[in-house]
Amino acid sequence: SYELTQPPSVSVSPGQTARITCSGDALPKKYAYWYQQKSGQAPVLVIYEDTKRPSGIPERFSGSSSGTMATLTISGAQVEDEADYYCYSTDSSGIHRVFGGGTKLTVL
Amino acid sequence: EVQLVESGGGLVQPGGSLRLSCAASGVTFSTYSMSWVRQAPGKGLEWVSRISGSGAATYYADSVKGRFTISRDNSKNTLYLQMNSLRAEDTAIYYCARDMYTVTWYFDLWGRGTLVTVFS
Repeated sequence: SYELTQPPSVSVSPGQTARITCSGDALPKKYAYWYQQKSGQAPVLVIYEDTKRPSGIPERFSGSSSGTMATLTISGAQVEDEADYYCYSTDSSGIHRVFGGGTKLTVL
Repeated sequence: EVQLVESGGGLVQPGGSLRLSCAASGVTFSTYSMSWVRQAPGKGLEWVSRISGSGAATYYADSVKGRFTISRDNSKNTLYLQMNSLRAEDTAIYYCARDMYTVTWYFDLWGRGTLVTVFS
């Protein structure tokens, strides 16, 4: 079965840049999406189609993708950005919808 | 404002059944595919099932195929998930999510979820 791999945790100080990676064999052909989930809350879409930011998402959130790896970058991370972040995509057939295992971002 | 509100979660014994509902407001419900996504306690997200806007097409994860049935009533702006033969591993928060399609399917809006606990 298809898998997306994320680091379990990333830690930065406030104001630093946080980078969260997601690797998957189909990412050269399929877009990556990123969801933020704060404790006890529903997920929120923060990046779609590798690089696009939904309205209402701060500009410090950006996405990129190269080869088999997609990256979510939070430039000047803030304490309120502490959350679990999940990448999402599909396998090469487009049939199987898969989330990465999630990355816990700590900002302190 | 678009809102998705899930209900119907609770405690159930293994082998039992439960029906979840998701009420949508502020959106032309019938024009969107909808999905259920679950999250086991302390774990990641898992897509469970999707239904087309008309309800004619349904899709399931292998882990629930044959046990869960997704449906919708567009006259009531409501999505359902009938869960039968429940197992301990089905314990999770169940979210309904609106599907979007550009070049692939993804979820652009989520409800707050409803907790299902399967215990013996």
